[in-house]
Amino acid sequence: KAGVTQTPRYLIKTRGQQVTLSCSPISGHRSVSWYQQTPGQGLQFLFEYFSETQRNKGNFPGRFSGRQFSNSRSEMNVSTLELGDSALYLCASVIGTGGTEAFFGQGTRLTVV
Amino acid sequence: AQKITQTQPGMFVQEKEAVTLDCTYDTSDPSYGLFWYKQPSSGEMIFLIYQGSYDQQNATEGRYSLNFQKARKSANLVISASQLGDSAMYFCAMRGRDQGGKLIFGQGTELSVKP
Repeated sequence: KAGVTQTPRYLIKTRGQQVTLSCSPISGHRSVSWYQQTPGQGLQFLFEYFSETQRNKGNFPGRFSGRQFSNSRSEMNVSTLELGDSALYLCASVIGTGGTEAFFGQGTRLTVV
Repeated sequence: AQKITQTQPGMFVQEKEAVTLDCTYDTSDPSYGLFWYKQPSSGEMIFLIYQGSYDQQNATEGRYSLNFQKARKSANLVISASQLGDSAMYFCAMRGRDQGGKLIFGQGTELSVKP
């Protein structure tokens, strides 16, 4: 059974550009959550998608957006990149509501220069 | 608001000894779940163990056990017989009622296992 797959693993972008990250959850899992991890702020929740609908949203500016497709794959987009967006972006896969396990991908390390 | 507190930024343990990583939480939800994750230097978050707020017994998974004290709002992770490969960051996380896949994380504890 395949795990959670995030692509790409590493990314270098320039300030002002936009970026799209992808997350493929475990087969059969319908919920995908995104997190930003930085040394200063730790792990912060960005948003969650369940059955193609955003179910929860964290306190991030509108430059951060996401979507989920019918096959449960999710994408996260960050527009007008800032230096402070440099972080490890992790996605988590949960089977549905109230699952007792939440599995993470290996993350995408984004560097903004 | 929900909050997770891990008060130990760093811990050292001798190989083959047991170690306890502390986690306290704050929530007003009657139903919630508590998670522990391991994050090696590679960055991947590895799921270790889960405890539901209504579970009567402490969760165990191999060498990992969760010391759940509901009245004290603590959910400490116990690792028995530490191995060199256990050296990593450890995060405690909580999910509240009706929160779906949203997890609130603590700041983490860096565990170093000495040979």
